[in-house]
Amino acid sequence: DAKTTQPNSMESNEEEPVHLPCNHSTISGTDYIHWYRQLPSQGPEYVIHGLTSNVNNRMASLAIAEDRKSSTLILHRATLRDAAVYYCILSKGVGNQFYFGTGTSLTVIP
Amino acid sequence: EPEVTQTPSHQVTQMGQEVILRCVPISNHLYFYWYRQILGQKVEFLVSFYNNEISEKSEIFDDQFSVERPDGSNFTLKIRSTKLEDSAMYFCASRPSFLKSYEQYFGPGTRLTVT
Repeated sequence: DAKTTQPNSMESNEEEPVHLPCNHSTISGTDYIHWYRQLPSQGPEYVIHGLTSNVNNRMASLAIAEDRKSSTLILHRATLRDAAVYYCILSKGVGNQFYFGTGTSLTVIP
Repeated sequence: EPEVTQTPSHQVTQMGQEVILRCVPISNHLYFYWYRQILGQKVEFLVSFYNNEISEKSEIFDDQFSVERPDGSNFTLKIRSTKLEDSAMYFCASRPSFLKSYEQYFGPGTRLTVT
């Protein structure tokens, strides 16, 4: 399995930025870094992905270390709706399936 | 926006019974996946499917499991003889072939309860 390591939980105050770290030291050159989140009782939802360069979209930013062995998901202004489990995933295998870790449970404090 | 759909949302079955979980992937997607999530645990890969055949499967996907794309729209997961430990959320996902980043789109899941 493609191994990623994330803190089990983090807290953030509402409307403040959140930095969610992920280590993926076994990443190979062609692996994309994906971030998904899962709200309670829902399926995983795409947040952002990247290969080498930092990426921005309407939901978040992704900062990728130069050696690609770690990355950070940045939520610029956390809202209560951002409370979820965030997964950092490397796609692997013939079918490029996802191997999920335990993720980071984000709590947003009003 | 197109989305992956799954039916039923909740299935209750008795141990030893066969169940079929159904998924309608996004049209024009060519890769299909099943994952499961036991309550309180992480999402686990079961199987990937492309060009009408399994491309990869995990150790969980034993002889009790099978997948099929019976027509141009449905993608099914069959569990032949359910066990108590098969109780979980089952997620279907799909992706198009042209996305080099391999982004997958997940359905809302089917909660399977085996009694």
